[in-house]
Amino acid sequence: EVQLVQSGAEVKKPGESLRISCKGSGYTFSNYWIAWVRQMPGKGLEWMGFIYPGDSDTNYSPSFQGQVTFSADKSIRTAYLQWNSLRASDTAMYYCARGDVDLDYWGQGTLVTVSS
Amino acid sequence: SYELTQPSSVSVSPGQTARITCSGDILAKKYVRWFQQRPGQAPVLVIHKDSERPSGIPERFSGSSSGTTVTLTISGAQVEDEADYYCYSATDNIRGMFGGGTKLTVL
Repeated sequence: EVQLVQSGAEVKKPGESLRISCKGSGYTFSNYWIAWVRQMPGKGLEWMGFIYPGDSDTNYSPSFQGQVTFSADKSIRTAYLQWNSLRASDTAMYYCARGDVDLDYWGQGTLVTVSS
Repeated sequence: SYELTQPSSVSVSPGQTARITCSGDILAKKYVRWFQQRPGQAPVLVIHKDSERPSGIPERFSGSSSGTTVTLTISGAQVEDEADYYCYSATDNIRGMFGGGTKLTVL
């Protein structure tokens, strides 16, 4: 069974750094892109970009380029989404999903709250 | 333009047919996927490649395409189908985009 399991909810202060994770199982993790999707409170889904765990190739949405960093460790089947300096406007639910076009399996989401 | 446009809301009575559209120039040459998101849950893929239904998705969900508009049809909508629905596509250089989402009310 394909599963993506994300790390737990985070509460951070503005300016702090954060890395959240997405661990895949039930398939060959290296062979599928992992997409990251943001959903701000009460809003729709926003595509942030992809990472290919096989070679760590990345593709960022222009809206998120330079604001976040994708990484992956294929040895432990885990993809990461990282911020160096969080802002209150980063408060949102973040999802990982398998694939570049089909997004056929999703993680349960990680809620990130940034508040002073 | 690289935008996908959906109606903000659709409302039907149980047993009626619900149709949700998604429009965008890119849809003339790229497939669309549809996702269902119930409150408090992660999205679920219900249609891929415009009209194909993943395993486990009820037959009442179907998709169709005509030019730059694709349509998600729920035939005989049920109360449990009440959710937000998002269309999604990707450009030639694999840049993804979601529609704004449609809130389906079944009551």
